[in-house]
Amino acid sequence: AQSVTQLGSHVSVSEGALVLLRCNYSSSVPPYLFWYVQYPNQGLQLLLKYTSAATLVKGINGFEAEFKKSETSFHLTKPSAHMSDAAEYFCAVSRPGYSTLTFGKGTMLLVSP
Amino acid sequence: SQTIHQWPATLVQPVGSPLSLECTVEGTSNPNLYWYRQAAGRGLQLLFYSIGIGQISSEVPQNLSASRPQDRQFILSSKKLLLSDSGFYLCAWSVDTSGNTIYFGEGSWLTVV
Repeated sequence: AQSVTQLGSHVSVSEGALVLLRCNYSSSVPPYLFWYVQYPNQGLQLLLKYTSAATLVKGINGFEAEFKKSETSFHLTKPSAHMSDAAEYFCAVSRPGYSTLTFGKGTMLLVSP
Repeated sequence: SQTIHQWPATLVQPVGSPLSLECTVEGTSNPNLYWYRQAAGRGLQLLFYSIGIGQISSEVPQNLSASRPQDRQFILSSKKLLLSDSGFYLCAWSVDTSGNTIYFGEGSWLTVV
């Protein structure tokens, strides 16, 4: 079985500060990993995904994530937060050959001026 | 390009009433289709997924059901709603079963009163 743990239900940063959202996964096979963003009352939008190619994955809106097998982590970062980054972020895992995703419980990113 | 439509966007239903949420995908053939539910603080829960017409897999036993009458149409139903059915329901699709990206609709807010 696969699972995802997102550390911190809420993360607060100041505008211009580093954003770090943590995600740890559990998988019996090499996983595919995803980060999605959800703005209020909207569906989920894919930020980036790791599918066993380069371990550092760049996504939209300046976000990136690094797959670290030894730490079973896939943390999301952005060097400088914008007010528009305020949203809920979900980490997800899937198995190659399977189409279903297992999501973490989400981390709400709050950005203050 | 592919698009996904989901309706209604908002629904308030009394306990014991029926439910029908509809989802259609355009611009692709034979997609995998999914229904997820998002309850406050609980992340996303996969309810049903379908790899073809009439083929439905249920992930969580409950009083909801799903049907796929056409290739690109996915319907979530209930005969009698419970208070616990309240939540944000998301339809989604993917190209295949290889662990590829899942794309989400805009969601439907269901409040059972």
